[in-house]
Amino acid sequence: AQSVTQLGSHVSVSEGALVLLRCNYSSSVPPYLFWYVQYPNQGLQLLLKYTTGATLVKGINGFEAEFKKSETSFHLTKPSAHMSDAAEYFCAVRGGGSNYKLTFGKGTLLTVNP
Amino acid sequence: SAVISQKPSRDICQRGTSLTIQCQVDSQVTMMFWYRQQPGQSLTLIATANQGSEATYESGFVIDKFPISRPNLTFSTLTVSNMSPEDSSIYLCSSTAGQGAAFFGQGTRLTVV
Repeated sequence: AQSVTQLGSHVSVSEGALVLLRCNYSSSVPPYLFWYVQYPNQGLQLLLKYTTGATLVKGINGFEAEFKKSETSFHLTKPSAHMSDAAEYFCAVRGGGSNYKLTFGKGTLLTVNP
Repeated sequence: SAVISQKPSRDICQRGTSLTIQCQVDSQVTMMFWYRQQPGQSLTLIATANQGSEATYESGFVIDKFPISRPNLTFSTLTVSNMSPEDSSIYLCSSTAGQGAAFFGQGTRLTVV
């Protein structure tokens, strides 16, 4: 079984500041990890994913995340926030192999202040 | 990556009625998934739909309430039956691309009055 905990339901940053959205997971098997973004009234868009290999993963829009097995974490970062980054962000986990079911965290709403 | 077209994008329905949501994928996919996102909440998996077999429902969801069809490898429908205000949610369909990265339809925003 898998679970995801996103610390902080709401994060507020200033434009140009560092974005850090936290995600911790629990998985009984080596996990596949994902970050999705949801803009208002839209579906989910994949930002980045970790499956195997390099633990630092780069995604779209300047986001990246680092898989840390020892800390069971997959935090999302962006060096400099832009107003267009304001959205809801979801961390998700699934087991490997043929288990394609995703378990989502509760989401973190990112607000970017001018 | 593949694209899912989902419709309707939104609807307002009377309680006691049913709504069928459609998802069309622009390529053949083995599995499709249906999620519910209640207001201010995360996504919860309703069921997994494979072509040619009965959908597999998650705990708390039943076929009588959420019947699903999967007639071919590019299409699926979810029906929300006998609706009540508690069914007001966003419903999303999804499928998987390489290495399990899921892609999603735009969602259906349902309001039951």
